[in-house]
Amino acid sequence: NAGVTQTPKFRILKIGQSMTLQCTQDMNHNYMYWYRQDPGMGLKLIYYSVGAGITDKGEVPNGYNVSRSTTEDFPLRLELAAPSQTSVYFCASSSRQSTSNTGELFFGEGSRLTVL
Amino acid sequence: KQEVTQIPAALSVPEGENLVLNCSFTDSAIYNLQWFRQDPGKGLTSLLLIQSSQREQTSGRLNASLDKSSGRSTLYIAASQPGDSATYLCAVADHNNNDMRFGAGTRLTVKP
Repeated sequence: NAGVTQTPKFRILKIGQSMTLQCTQDMNHNYMYWYRQDPGMGLKLIYYSVGAGITDKGEVPNGYNVSRSTTEDFPLRLELAAPSQTSVYFCASSSRQSTSNTGELFFGEGSRLTVL
Repeated sequence: KQEVTQIPAALSVPEGENLVLNCSFTDSAIYNLQWFRQDPGKGLTSLLLIQSSQREQTSGRLNASLDKSSGRSTLYIAASQPGDSATYLCAVADHNNNDMRFGAGTRLTVKP
């Protein structure tokens, strides 16, 4: 049972560098989400997608980009990394394809990013 | 836009006490509400999921209730144990906007 898989688990970036956090799920979920969690805080929604080819901004989208070319994959791209993007990033997925789906949210293990 | 609030931000209780954690939300048009547990430096563990049409869900010593009309959910923990010490987060799936918003969490400490 792979569930939601995130890579890398840890990464250190220099200011101005770019990188992509990978997220893939094998549960055929239509909904996918990216969150960030700062120390001692709750989760803030960055972007989400309700299906392949469809993405929407969440609460804190600035400095990030996403794409959803397949049902399984939902990568998060950081362009021109800044210290304010130092955080733990969580990817999640759920299914709302029909009324029989509970919409339960499943999480990856997180990616810890430090920007120096 | 859905706003989710959790009160209190932190709670400390002696072992054996029953306790209630609160979660409130501003838009009653929800798809579901989910409670999670997070240990320090770890990911999120799902505890209970309440569908929009349900009033409560139970798992072991945990009971979660939902009152959509008042925009509230509670997580009841019976006979608390030191192993229950963690941060508890509630998340609300919005029916209209398709997103899912989290509260800031309640940090629970159960003292032996």
